[in-house]
Amino acid sequence: KAGVTQTPRYLIKTRGQQVTLSCSPISGHRSVSWYQQTPGQGLQFLFEYFSETQRNKGNFPGRFSGRQFSNSRSEMNVSTLELGDSALYLCASSLQADTQYFGPGTRLTVL
Amino acid sequence: GENVEQHPSTLSVQEGDSAVIKCTYSDSASNYFPWYKQELGKGPQLIIDIRSNVGEKKDQRIAVTLNKTAKHFSLHITETQPEDSAVYFCAVTDGGTSYGKLTFGQGTILTVHP
Repeated sequence: KAGVTQTPRYLIKTRGQQVTLSCSPISGHRSVSWYQQTPGQGLQFLFEYFSETQRNKGNFPGRFSGRQFSNSRSEMNVSTLELGDSALYLCASSLQADTQYFGPGTRLTVL
Repeated sequence: GENVEQHPSTLSVQEGDSAVIKCTYSDSASNYFPWYKQELGKGPQLIIDIRSNVGEKKDQRIAVTLNKTAKHFSLHITETQPEDSAVYFCAVTDGGTSYGKLTFGQGTILTVHP
Protein backbone atom coordinates (compact mmCIF):
# COMPACT_ATOMS: atom_id res chain seq x y z
CA LYS A 1 0.00 0.00 0.00
CA ALA A 2 1.30 3.45 -0.85
CA GLY A 3 1.93 5.69 2.11
CA VAL A 4 0.80 9.22 2.77
CA THR A 5 2.06 11.65 0.17
CA GLN A 6 2.46 15.39 0.55
CA THR A 7 3.16 18.00 -2.06
CA PRO A 8 5.15 20.07 -2.45
CA ARG A 9 8.01 18.89 -0.26
CA TYR A 10 9.58 22.35 -0.03
CA LEU A 11 8.19 25.84 -0.36
CA ILE A 12 9.67 29.30 -0.01
CA LYS A 13 7.27 32.21 0.35
CA THR A 14 7.46 35.83 1.46
CA ARG A 15 5.52 37.49 4.23
CA GLY A 16 1.97 38.37 3.32
CA GLN A 17 1.61 35.68 0.67
CA GLN A 18 -0.64 32.66 0.98
CA VAL A 19 0.17 29.00 0.48
CA THR A 20 -1.71 25.76 -0.19
CA LEU A 21 -0.36 22.39 0.82
CA SER A 22 -1.72 19.05 -0.35
CA CYS A 23 -2.00 15.65 1.28
CA SER A 24 -3.10 12.32 -0.18
CA PRO A 25 -3.93 9.76 2.50
CA ILE A 26 -3.39 6.03 2.44
CA SER A 27 -5.97 4.36 0.23
CA GLY A 28 -9.11 3.65 2.22
CA HIS A 29 -8.31 6.10 5.01
CA ARG A 30 -10.97 8.75 5.48
CA SER A 31 -9.44 10.76 8.32
CA VAL A 32 -6.72 13.31 7.68
CA SER A 33 -5.05 15.31 10.45
CA TRP A 34 -2.63 18.19 10.01
CA TYR A 35 0.20 19.17 12.34
CA GLN A 36 2.76 21.94 12.51
CA GLN A 37 6.25 21.02 13.69
CA THR A 38 8.72 23.66 14.87
CA PRO A 39 11.85 23.38 17.02
CA GLY A 40 10.32 25.60 19.68
CA GLN A 41 6.76 24.31 19.90
CA GLY A 42 7.19 20.74 18.76
CA LEU A 43 4.32 18.95 17.06
CA GLN A 44 1.05 20.84 17.32
CA PHE A 45 -2.35 19.76 16.04
CA LEU A 46 -3.97 22.01 13.45
CA PHE A 47 -7.19 20.25 12.44
CA GLU A 48 -8.75 16.96 11.41
CA TYR A 49 -11.10 16.09 8.58
CA PHE A 50 -13.26 13.04 8.13
CA SER A 51 -15.54 12.51 5.15
CA GLU A 52 -15.12 16.14 4.08
CA THR A 53 -16.10 17.49 7.52
CA GLN A 54 -13.81 19.24 9.96
CA ARG A 55 -14.32 17.43 13.25
CA ASN A 56 -11.64 19.04 15.36
CA LYS A 57 -9.50 22.15 15.33
CA GLY A 58 -6.42 23.15 17.29
CA ASN A 59 -5.48 26.54 18.69
CA PHE A 60 -4.30 28.27 15.57
CA PRO A 61 -5.52 31.57 14.11
CA GLY A 62 -8.12 31.68 11.37
CA ARG A 63 -5.37 32.23 8.79
CA PHE A 64 -4.95 28.46 8.91
CA SER A 65 -7.71 26.61 7.13
CA GLY A 66 -8.25 23.32 5.42
CA ARG A 67 -10.60 21.19 3.47
CA GLN A 68 -11.09 17.62 2.38
CA PHE A 69 -12.36 16.33 -0.91
CA SER A 70 -14.64 13.41 -1.65
CA ASN A 71 -11.62 11.21 -2.47
CA SER A 72 -10.24 11.97 1.04
CA ARG A 73 -7.39 14.11 -0.28
CA SER A 74 -6.91 17.17 1.85
CA GLU A 75 -5.46 20.63 1.48
CA MET A 76 -4.47 23.20 4.03
CA ASN A 77 -4.13 26.88 3.35
CA VAL A 78 -2.26 29.56 5.22
CA SER A 79 -3.08 33.14 4.32
CA THR A 80 -1.12 36.31 5.07
CA LEU A 81 2.03 34.40 5.90
CA GLU A 82 4.16 35.47 8.85
CA LEU A 83 7.78 34.63 9.60
CA GLY A 84 6.62 32.45 12.47
CA ASP A 85 4.72 30.21 10.07
CA SER A 86 8.00 28.72 8.90
CA ALA A 87 7.71 25.07 9.89
CA LEU A 88 7.37 21.49 8.76
CA TYR A 89 3.72 20.80 8.02
CA LEU A 90 2.75 17.19 8.43
CA CYS A 91 -0.38 15.37 7.53
CA ALA A 92 -1.41 12.01 8.90
CA SER A 93 -4.06 9.63 7.72
CA SER A 94 -6.10 7.18 9.69
CA LEU A 95 -8.99 4.80 9.36
CA GLN A 96 -10.66 5.97 12.55
CA ALA A 97 -8.52 8.95 13.65
CA ASP A 98 -6.45 7.29 16.39
CA THR A 99 -3.73 5.20 14.70
CA GLN A 100 -2.15 7.81 12.47
CA TYR A 101 0.40 7.39 9.70
CA PHE A 102 2.38 10.43 8.74
CA GLY A 103 3.59 11.72 5.43
CA PRO A 104 7.06 13.16 4.84
CA GLY A 105 5.88 16.73 5.39
CA THR A 106 6.12 20.02 3.54
CA ARG A 107 8.94 22.32 4.64
CA LEU A 108 7.66 25.90 4.46
CA THR A 109 10.08 28.78 4.73
CA VAL A 110 8.71 32.30 5.02
CA LEU A 111 11.13 35.11 4.18
CA GLY B 1 -6.30 20.42 27.78
CA GLU B 2 -4.06 17.39 27.67
CA ASN B 3 -0.43 17.88 28.70
CA VAL B 4 2.34 15.39 27.90
CA GLU B 5 5.77 15.51 29.51
CA GLN B 6 8.59 13.46 27.96
CA HIS B 7 11.97 12.65 29.51
CA PRO B 8 14.84 12.69 28.90
CA SER B 9 15.23 15.25 26.13
CA THR B 10 18.48 13.64 25.03
CA LEU B 11 19.76 10.11 25.57
CA SER B 12 23.14 8.74 24.58
CA VAL B 13 23.87 5.00 24.79
CA GLN B 14 26.43 2.52 23.56
CA GLU B 15 25.44 0.01 20.92
CA GLY B 16 23.90 -3.02 22.58
CA ASP B 17 22.70 -1.12 25.65
CA SER B 18 19.04 -0.54 26.48
CA ALA B 19 17.26 2.79 26.19
CA VAL B 20 14.19 3.90 28.14
CA ILE B 21 12.08 6.98 27.44
CA LYS B 22 9.25 8.01 29.74
CA CYS B 23 6.12 10.09 29.27
CA THR B 24 3.50 11.32 31.67
CA TYR B 25 0.08 12.64 30.72
CA SER B 26 -2.61 14.62 32.47
CA ASP B 27 -5.98 13.51 31.06
CA SER B 28 -7.25 10.32 32.67
CA ALA B 29 -9.60 9.85 29.69
CA SER B 30 -6.63 9.21 27.38
CA ASN B 31 -6.82 5.68 26.03
CA TYR B 32 -4.39 5.41 23.13
CA PHE B 33 -0.63 5.86 23.40
CA PRO B 34 1.54 5.65 20.26
CA TRP B 35 5.28 6.12 19.90
CA TYR B 36 6.87 7.62 16.82
CA LYS B 37 10.41 7.65 15.48
CA GLN B 38 11.47 10.58 13.33
CA GLU B 39 14.65 10.53 11.28
CA LEU B 40 16.19 13.61 9.75
CA GLY B 41 14.18 14.90 6.81
CA LYS B 42 11.34 12.43 7.31
CA GLY B 43 7.91 12.38 8.87
CA PRO B 44 7.25 10.56 12.15
CA GLN B 45 7.04 6.79 11.78
CA LEU B 46 4.73 4.80 14.06
CA ILE B 47 6.85 2.18 15.80
CA ILE B 48 4.56 0.82 18.50
CA ASP B 49 1.32 1.72 20.25
CA ILE B 50 -0.69 0.59 23.23
CA ARG B 51 -4.29 0.98 24.33
CA SER B 52 -5.53 1.56 27.85
CA ASN B 53 -6.82 -1.98 28.33
CA VAL B 54 -3.28 -3.40 27.96
CA GLY B 55 -0.37 -2.97 30.37
CA GLU B 56 2.49 -3.97 28.12
CA LYS B 57 3.16 -4.64 24.45
CA LYS B 58 6.30 -5.93 22.79
CA ASP B 59 7.51 -6.02 19.21
CA GLN B 60 10.95 -7.57 18.80
CA ARG B 61 13.43 -5.15 20.45
CA ILE B 62 10.80 -2.55 21.28
CA ALA B 63 8.32 -2.60 24.14
CA VAL B 64 5.90 -0.15 25.69
CA THR B 65 4.54 -0.27 29.22
CA LEU B 66 1.54 1.66 30.52
CA ASN B 67 0.61 2.56 34.08
CA LYS B 68 -2.85 4.13 33.91
CA THR B 69 -3.05 4.75 37.64
CA ALA B 70 0.12 6.81 37.63
CA LYS B 71 -0.62 8.19 34.14
CA HIS B 72 2.69 7.34 32.61
CA PHE B 73 3.99 5.10 29.86
CA SER B 74 7.47 4.18 28.70
CA LEU B 75 9.29 3.04 25.57
CA HIS B 76 11.96 0.39 26.01
CA ILE B 77 14.48 -0.39 23.28
CA THR B 78 16.80 -3.31 23.92
CA GLU B 79 20.04 -4.20 22.12
CA THR B 80 20.24 -0.75 20.58
CA GLN B 81 21.82 -0.32 17.16
CA PRO B 82 23.21 2.79 15.45
CA GLU B 83 20.16 2.84 13.15
CA ASP B 84 17.99 3.40 16.23
CA SER B 85 19.48 6.91 16.43
CA ALA B 86 16.60 9.33 15.82
CA VAL B 87 14.11 11.56 17.63
CA TYR B 88 11.39 9.65 19.47
CA PHE B 89 8.00 11.13 20.33
CA CYS B 90 5.30 9.84 22.59
CA ALA B 91 1.70 10.89 22.02
CA VAL B 92 -1.71 10.47 23.61
CA THR B 93 -5.31 10.80 22.59
CA ASP B 94 -8.64 10.03 24.17
CA GLY B 95 -9.97 8.73 20.87
CA GLY B 96 -13.35 10.12 21.73
CA THR B 97 -14.19 13.74 21.18
CA SER B 98 -10.55 14.54 20.38
CA TYR B 99 -11.04 13.39 16.81
CA GLY B 100 -7.68 13.03 15.13
CA LYS B 101 -5.85 15.04 17.75
CA LEU B 102 -2.68 13.51 19.08
CA THR B 103 -0.94 15.47 21.82
CA PHE B 104 2.81 14.94 21.58
CA GLY B 105 5.66 15.03 24.03
CA GLN B 106 8.61 17.29 23.27
CA GLY B 107 10.74 14.48 21.88
CA THR B 108 13.88 12.59 22.88
CA ILE B 109 17.01 12.68 20.76
CA LEU B 110 18.48 9.18 20.99
CA THR B 111 22.07 8.67 19.92
CA VAL B 112 23.49 5.16 19.74
CA HIS B 113 27.28 5.09 19.58
CA PRO B 114 28.90 2.17 17.72
